[in-house]
Amino acid sequence: DIVMTQSPGSLAVSLGERATIDCKASQSLLYRGNNQNYLAWYQQKSGQPPRLLMIWGSTRESGVPDRFSGSGSGTDFTLTISSLQAEDVAVYFCQQYLSLPVTFGGGTKVEL
Amino acid sequence: QVQLVQSGTEVKKPGSSVKVSCKVSGNTFSRYATNWVRQAPGQGPEWMGAVVPMSRTPIYAEKFQGRLTITVDESTNTAYLDLSSLTVDDTAVYYCARSIPQLRYLDIWGRGTLVTVSS
Repeated sequence: DIVMTQSPGSLAVSLGERATIDCKASQSLLYRGNNQNYLAWYQQKSGQPPRLLMIWGSTRESGVPDRFSGSGSGTDFTLTISSLQAEDVAVYFCQQYLSLPVTFGGGTKVEL
Repeated sequence: QVQLVQSGTEVKKPGSSVKVSCKVSGNTFSRYATNWVRQAPGQGPEWMGAVVPMSRTPIYAEKFQGRLTITVDESTNTAYLDLSSLTVDDTAVYYCARSIPQLRYLDIWGRGTLVTVSS
């Protein structure tokens, strides 16, 4: 199974400041056949199911604000919130969907 | 708008089984995979398995082989998770979530079903 490791486990950010979350995969998520990284990001607010934010490492889903951006390739990825808003307080997960079983990181809690 | 509506909270004894349902609204049920994912308190999500109704062939994470059964009822657009031989470690919120069959990022989720296993 591909192991997904996130860091940090939690971080406190002031309103308007940048938040950066790292995700490392135990093997490359880059599929040479289409040159895509099989990496998704989710946001989970308290008491709610996860919400899909991003696929292919950097493609925002419809309705996701552009302050959220994804970067990286291969085994190392980053989710950045450029200017934290109060509604961004949540736990964020990365997930690989290159191979079964799909696997998730342990999560990063973002708080004010 | 597609919605996944799950059954309610369950409390089970160790050694018993639990069955959770997930009814999918809209007309996309047969063409998408229904995945089951669980999340223990304070933990990341854990993918358990999935089924594409058109193929009727479920796939399971190796960890759950032998005690997990995923079925579908296309007449009611409902998927089911059946987990047997429960232990306290199975206490979690169980989610169903939709994906394109060949791409298992999960774009629509149910609200979750809390399953508590306690003696």
